[in-house]
Amino acid sequence: DQQVKQNSPSLSVQEGRISILNCDYTNSMFDYFLWYKKYPAEGPTFLISISSIKDKNEDGRFTVFLNKSAKHLSLHIVPSQPGDSAVYFCAASGNQGGKLIFGQGTELSVKP
Amino acid sequence: EPEVTQTPSHQVTQMGQEVILRCVPISNHLYFYWYRQILGQKVEFLVSFYNNEISEKSEIFDDQFSVERPDGSNFTLKIRSTKLEDSAMYFCASSVTRDQERQGPNEKLFFGSGTQLSVL
Repeated sequence: DQQVKQNSPSLSVQEGRISILNCDYTNSMFDYFLWYKKYPAEGPTFLISISSIKDKNEDGRFTVFLNKSAKHLSLHIVPSQPGDSAVYFCAASGNQGGKLIFGQGTELSVKP
Repeated sequence: EPEVTQTPSHQVTQMGQEVILRCVPISNHLYFYWYRQILGQKVEFLVSFYNNEISEKSEIFDDQFSVERPDGSNFTLKIRSTKLEDSAMYFCASSVTRDQERQGPNEKLFFGSGTQLSVL
């Protein structure tokens, strides 16, 4: 099941610079997209989301961009901080039932 | 901040044994979920539960699995006869307060820290 794909398993960024995490999806029925962050030994924590009727949503240092024609979304973190180091999961939903389809995750490492 | 709690954090069992994974969702949430993550793989949906019944389940959630809300606070996942391939991190999640209920389920899930199940 490859409906949601995160092709980069890892990303390393210098503190203060921008982190860009990417996610692609194949199912055009998805209408809601989310990013979750996960630290070791913890469950995923909701970070930011976007509805398919929008192309951008911003929350502080975090911005999610959605390109529906390309079936692509990205998460921008700026400026990146060492505390942002975690695994970031992209997730999508299409039936408003709380059933999320997750990507494989991208491990972000922000170096001081 | 309210959180979802799961016990135990680690569970080791022999193949063929029954296990019960326990969760206490956020107290005013109405929708409950189980997800799992096999090592090195994606987080996968297992089941959603609302109004004391299963609202959706995946093909993974076969007859070996069951869920229950035995009282007003706990939400459990039972695996009747564990197999080696059931070894995974199991996450419980909850969402939607009574105020939000009219809007239906939503995708902003609050996850617990997980139970690592090892089947030997």
